[in-house]
Amino acid sequence: NAGVTQTPKFQVLKTGQSMTLQCAQDMNHNSMYWYRQDPGMGLRLIYYSASEGTTDKGEVPNGYNVSRLNKREFSLRLESAAPSQTSVYFCASSDGLGMRNQPQHFGDGTRLSIL
Amino acid sequence: SQQGEEDPQALSIQEGENATMNCSYKTSINNLQWYRQNSGRGLVHLILIRSNEREKHSGRLRVTLDTSKKSSSLLITASRAADTASYFCATDLPVGGTSYGKLTFGQGTILTVHP
Repeated sequence: NAGVTQTPKFQVLKTGQSMTLQCAQDMNHNSMYWYRQDPGMGLRLIYYSASEGTTDKGEVPNGYNVSRLNKREFSLRLESAAPSQTSVYFCASSDGLGMRNQPQHFGDGTRLSIL
Repeated sequence: SQQGEEDPQALSIQEGENATMNCSYKTSINNLQWYRQNSGRGLVHLILIRSNEREKHSGRLRVTLDTSKKSSSLLITASRAADTASYFCATDLPVGGTSYGKLTFGQGTILTVHP
């Protein structure tokens, strides 16, 4: 039982390059989330998907796009990477947004550096 | 802005001692959750306390919630070197708002337990 799987684990990009971070969960969860974690800032929500077919902006969506490919997969795309997007990115899932008292389950993160 | 503020930012203790971490928040909540993050890994859910609960236990963990003071504490008893990690509180806002079901994380407390 893998839980939440993120790929790649590490990536170095040059400014202006694009890339897609992949996330898949095998817990049949309805809701999925993308966060970024910066030193001293805790986790900040970038985008979330309450259920298959829906996506919404979180606290810091600028510079990112997402796709909820199916119930299992939720990808995060950087169209034109900037040094300010250097961060650790975490994907998470839960039983359902709007359902009370649901913990979130996290992947191990993608460490992204933009030069 | 971050909903949760954690105190202290860092805590260093000896094995066998108790560790107490505090979390304060600003608005009414549906529940408050504590997560643990080992270095280089994703967050792991520890315990969830609902807004109508005052205290909850799970193994060596004890969480309290004071909604009148908008604060929570996490107590780890008889700490072990393996408890060394960062600990985050996260708040889940009440029904009715657009943020329902989305977590807002604090900046975390770094706990170091010396053998």
